[in-house]
Amino acid sequence: GDSVTQMEGPVTLSEEAFLTINCTYTATGYPSLFWYVQYPGEGLQLLLKATKADDKGSNKGFEATYRKETTSFHLEKGSVQVSDSAVYFCALTRGSNYKLTFGKGTLLTVNP
Amino acid sequence: DTGVSQNPRHKITKRGQNVTFRCDPISEHNRLYWYRQTLGQGPEFLTYFQNEAQLEKSRLLSDRFSAERPKGSFSTLEIQRTEQGDSAMYLCASSFVLAGVTDTQYFGPGTRLTVL
Repeated sequence: GDSVTQMEGPVTLSEEAFLTINCTYTATGYPSLFWYVQYPGEGLQLLLKATKADDKGSNKGFEATYRKETTSFHLEKGSVQVSDSAVYFCALTRGSNYKLTFGKGTLLTVNP
Repeated sequence: DTGVSQNPRHKITKRGQNVTFRCDPISEHNRLYWYRQTLGQGPEFLTYFQNEAQLEKSRLLSDRFSAERPKGSFSTLEIQRTEQGDSAMYLCASSFVLAGVTDTQYFGPGTRLTVL
């Protein structure tokens, strides 16, 4: 079945550091890929998405590129802020049901 | 606020009791999904509705679980004879699908269930 693997957390960075959170997937066909974020005490929010190979999703300074050859969708940000502290989930959908398959999540803590 | 709402936000119950959760989706959304999230894990799909029809159920949804979406509006998720292993966050999400193209899934804040 479909699966998503994220790098183990937690990740702790200083403000303005570069962020990479790795995500790889296993799925047949052509899934759509997503990054969701969960801020403390809040619900899951879509951060960015990409629906076909080589697409780049971007939002709030975060970027991720859909790499079919490496089945990856790594999340990057050039300069993190304290307000980026949250749990980040990589996810995919495939087929007409559009149900999301999530990774386990990566906790990011950014210190001032 | 026109986002997805869930009630209650927290539920504590004793093993063997029945519980029911409610989800109110974004009003124009025709798809509604239920997920379950346990500590340290990502959400796992339970079931989804297209309007009032329940189209798919995960094997995680044992016969103690039942979900409904009467009239294609709000949805309820009932767990009968709760077990300690049912303790989790139950998430609801909604989206709009037209001609096979879907919009983003928007999530509610979740209902945290604790079974003692």
